[in-house]
Amino acid sequence: EAQVTQNPRYLITVTGKKLTVTCSQNMNHEYMSWYRQDPGLGLRQIYYSMNVEVTDKGDVPEGYKVSRKEKRNFPLILESPSPNQTSLYFCASSLMALPNEKLFFGSGTQLSVL
Amino acid sequence: KQEVTQIPAALSVPEGENLVLNCSFTDSAIYNLQWFRQDPGKGLTSLLLIQSSQREQTSGRLNASLDKSSGRSTLYIAASQPGDSATYLCAVLNQAGTALIFGKGTTLSVSS
Repeated sequence: EAQVTQNPRYLITVTGKKLTVTCSQNMNHEYMSWYRQDPGLGLRQIYYSMNVEVTDKGDVPEGYKVSRKEKRNFPLILESPSPNQTSLYFCASSLMALPNEKLFFGSGTQLSVL
Repeated sequence: KQEVTQIPAALSVPEGENLVLNCSFTDSAIYNLQWFRQDPGKGLTSLLLIQSSQREQTSGRLNASLDKSSGRSTLYIAASQPGDSATYLCAVLNQAGTALIFGKGTTLSVSS
């Protein structure tokens, strides 16, 4: 089944403890992206990647890192999580660059930083 | 800076009604517009994508229209069903072509 898989679905952690949220797609998509969703603010882009080894910042990149060493994987890394990073996170992908493609989303990761 | 607004924020209708969800955007220079559905505890599912050169797209009971000059899009749902209950989000591509700018969504509840 074609899908974007995120893990874990739920994560509770403490301030300062490094964590990684994994994202994998099995559709051979070129473009991948991370969004966070917050009440009252909607969905905002954190980072995106147009292809392997090519990543760039979105609207809210502070406190996050990403890597794209293989086409299928795009992990989101929080080196020192803080409570303001408590949010619902989504990974998304599309076959090619966005102007011509639908975006496919994972099921989300609910992160709580205490 | 592009801003996307969705009205109403919430809508409750009885089963069988036809309904319209509204989306407006401030910058008419868009590549495309997408409508998504979000179910609680799940990710977003793309429903319809309208390219800037198109006026509308249809899929089953859903019809989305786009009026770039006025900065508006509507999602029409015909003969609504309880299974249509979800949050509907519209999004436009930013000018760099690298990210979708989302509205805050309309939460639809269809009662049987």
